[in-house]
Amino acid sequence: ETGVTQTPRHLVMGMTNKKSLKCEQHLGHNAMYWYKQSAKKPLELMFVYSLEERVENNSVPSRFSPECPNSSHLFLHLHTLQPEDSALYLCASSHSPGGGYGYTFGSGTRLTVV
Amino acid sequence: GQQLNQSPQSMFIQEGEDVSMNCTSSSIFNTWLWYKQDPGEGPVLLIALYKAGELTSNGRLTAQFGITRKDSFLNISASIPSDVGIYFCAGPNYGGSQGNLIFGKGTKLSVKP
Repeated sequence: ETGVTQTPRHLVMGMTNKKSLKCEQHLGHNAMYWYKQSAKKPLELMFVYSLEERVENNSVPSRFSPECPNSSHLFLHLHTLQPEDSALYLCASSHSPGGGYGYTFGSGTRLTVV
Repeated sequence: GQQLNQSPQSMFIQEGEDVSMNCTSSSIFNTWLWYKQDPGEGPVLLIALYKAGELTSNGRLTAQFGITRKDSFLNISASIPSDVGIYFCAGPNYGGSQGNLIFGKGTKLSVKP
């Protein structure tokens, strides 16, 4: 399998639930990212990982917790979310953290918090 | 901070028409990227531009890196229904600690057969 794969594609969770989003890339990239996409807002960077080390946390609430166990996998652990956290969560990867040659995105996880 | 302003926000066109959209910034960019996002999918890179004045084509798509380095343009010729989607411009965010991309809000394109 090639490209960036995200699971699940859709997730509905209650505000007291704990769930995790998974991202996997088979492109040999060294950097991975989580973005949040809400309606009528630009893509918002959440986290950047370079060679499995977190290099940026863009003022994201602690109810979002990323994990990068190796250069091919990235997780986003979710707990006690709010309805306003409902959005499309996109994972991306690139050769290097600069992203100057573009990112490869996954198809996203559509999250609904009820 | 750096911001990218895209216009128009949305377009409704007839199949076969040409499309033009642009992206501007108050800051200079050394790289411009154009992405397309199909409904229910993640963005896909269409064209990358690395030099002021550069004009690059990808099939019916043509993008230009503005001479001032503060803008970029994307044109689609002879639009077809599968061109429907949201088109984003993006560029490196030099203010980020490790560098990353920032994105415009997108231009939503609708094509009427």
